[in-house]
Amino acid sequence: EVQLVESGGGLVKPGGSLRLSCAASGFSFSSYSVNWVRQTPGKGLEWVSCISSGSGYKYYAASVKGRFTISRDDAKKSLYLQMNSLRAEDTALYYCARVRDGYNYAMSDYWGQGTLVTVSS
Amino acid sequence: QSVLTQPPSTSGTPGQRVAISCSGSSSNLGSNTVNWYQQLPGTAPKLLIYTNNQRPSGVPDRFSGSKSGTSASLAISGLQSEDEADYYCATWDDSLNGVVFGGGTKLTVL
Repeated sequence: EVQLVESGGGLVKPGGSLRLSCAASGFSFSSYSVNWVRQTPGKGLEWVSCISSGSGYKYYAASVKGRFTISRDDAKKSLYLQMNSLRAEDTALYYCARVRDGYNYAMSDYWGQGTLVTVSS
Repeated sequence: QSVLTQPPSTSGTPGQRVAISCSGSSSNLGSNTVNWYQQLPGTAPKLLIYTNNQRPSGVPDRFSGSKSGTSASLAISGLQSEDEADYYCATWDDSLNGVVFGGGTKLTVL
């Protein structure tokens, strides 16, 4: 069974840092591209970042570029999101999601349950 | 303001057919395929339609998708109470070099 489990969320002050993790199981993690997508409570979905299999391609939303860094460790079957210079508007539930086919990053077929990040003083 | 435009809400009665639109531009829907997600209350999104009109295994054929030019549509026929959810369209944007989502459409089954 494919599973994605996010962790690392919590309460952080503006300007602070946080590192999110996503542990994958039930599939060949190294063969798939992966996304981070966030959702402010009661609002819509916002794509944050994606990384290709092999880490050759990394893309970021304009709202997080230069502050967030996506990475992966295929040996540990894990995805990461290093978030620096956090702002109140980064407060959201952060999902990791597996990309179904190759580099079609908008097609995520499995999602975790999310980890909540709250940026507040 | 989302790059892809969806109506904020729609509704229908059981058994009815409803359609949800998704409008974009040449850099996104005009040059890439569209995917649709269903998000039931309190749960993670679920891939409902991919590559314009393909259904993942387990998705009922009551759900169908189409795309023409810079617009796409999700149709749900034989509406059921369990279809009450938020629906999002998504695609790649060649100008932004990223994934873009619609703002979401809340479907209410009356």
